Amino acid sequence: DIVMTQSPDSLAVSLGERATIHCKSSQSVLYNSNNKNYLAWYQQKPGQPPKVLIYWASTRESGVPDRFSGSGSGTDFTLTISSLQAEDVAVYYCQQYYSTASWTFGQGTKVEIK
Amino acid sequence: QVHLVESGGGVVQPGESLRLSCVASGFTFSSNSHHMQWVRQAPGKGLEWVAHIWYDGSIIYHADSVKGRFTISRDTSKNTLYLQMNSLRPEDTAVYYCAKLAVAGTWVSKWGQGTLVTVSS
Repeated sequence: DIVMTQSPDSLAVSLGERATIHCKSSQSVLYNSNNKNYLAWYQQKPGQPPKVLIYWASTRESGVPDRFSGSGSGTDFTLTISSLQAEDVAVYYCQQYYSTASWTFGQGTKVEIK
Repeated sequence: QVHLVESGGGVVQPGESLRLSCVASGFTFSSNSHHMQWVRQAPGKGLEWVAHIWYDGSIIYHADSVKGRFTISRDTSKNTLYLQMNSLRPEDTAVYYCAKLAVAGTWVSKWGQGTLVTVSS
């Protein structure tokens, strides 16, 4: 299985400041035939199901604020919240969908207000 | 608008069985782009993929942690996804989410609200 490792496990950021979450896969999730990274980012607020923010590593889902951005390729990826808002307090997960028959998530990163 | 509504969760003893259901609406359940999954989340823990089924049920996958005990299936005539869970263990305690994939084999575009399964003696 592809192991997804996020860092840090938690972070506290002041309102309006940047939050950066890293995700590393144990093997590349870049599919050479189409040059796409098979990676998604989800946001989960307390008591709610997750919600997709980013797919193909950097494509923002419709309706997601543009302060959320994804970057990276191969095995190293980043989710950036450019200006943290109160409503962004949540746990964020990366997920690889490169490996058919074995979808795996990172352990999650909890984002709080400092 | 896509809706996924799970049911069937509850409290059971170790070794018992349970069947979860997920009624889908707002999209053509039998369409060849609508693969479905079950994903679970133990209390206070992260997300774990459990099972996957193609739009027509022709191909299914299960996580190693549930292989041989859980079975995913779907009834297109009822727009319903199922998860038959046998030989339940305490470590199966979790909220089980029904999930619709955006494109075959890719990310989850829609999640249900989840149903809680508690395995305890």
